[in-house]
Amino acid sequence: AQSVTQLGSHVSVSEGALVLLRCNYSSSVPPYLFWYVQYPNQGLQLLLKYTSAATLVKGINGFEAEFKKSETSFHLTKPSAHMSDAAEYFCAVSDGYGGSQGNLIFGKGTKLSVKP
Amino acid sequence: DGGITQSPKYLFRKEGQNVTLSCEQNLNHDAMYWYRQDPGQGLRLIYYSQIVNDFQKGDIAEGYSVSREKKESFPLTVTSAQKNPTAFYLCASRQGALNTGELFFGEGSRLTVL
Repeated sequence: AQSVTQLGSHVSVSEGALVLLRCNYSSSVPPYLFWYVQYPNQGLQLLLKYTSAATLVKGINGFEAEFKKSETSFHLTKPSAHMSDAAEYFCAVSDGYGGSQGNLIFGKGTKLSVKP
Repeated sequence: DGGITQSPKYLFRKEGQNVTLSCEQNLNHDAMYWYRQDPGQGLRLIYYSQIVNDFQKGDIAEGYSVSREKKESFPLTVTSAQKNPTAFYLCASRQGALNTGELFFGEGSRLTVL
């Protein structure tokens, strides 16, 4: 069965600093990996996804993530934080198959704060 | 614009009452999902449906019920059997049977039990 661990429930950075949000996964088959962002009292919006093509995935709003099989990681980065990046971020994994095995499993989320 | 519409946005319920949360999508997606979100716990799957007239329990189905009579609609009923129903509820949909695509989410419904 798949699982996702997000290290750090809260991360705080200064505006203009590097953003690094950590995600480690567990999967017995090649995974499909996703990062979502959620603003207060709203639904989730897809930032980017990895589906076994290029290991470095670029997403919206300047975010990117690198799939590292040897480390079972899919960390999310952004070179320079903006105030508008303050939100909660969720990592999710799926094994890409049909049925219940393919349902997305979400991490518990990381709240990002950006200081002026 | 295509998307997922959840209603109501906010809902208050007295203990012992059943409530139904609406979810409608015009994306022509086959699969639909209900998640519950509590602070610090991420998203937990309540029910999902991959085809009309069929649905399966997720990880926390007790105290909830659903129906899927139309492709575009997947309402969730929170029954009086749900011991702690106060939460943020998210509906989502996805195209295809292989589950390789991303989920599209509605704006959520916040249920508060008084």
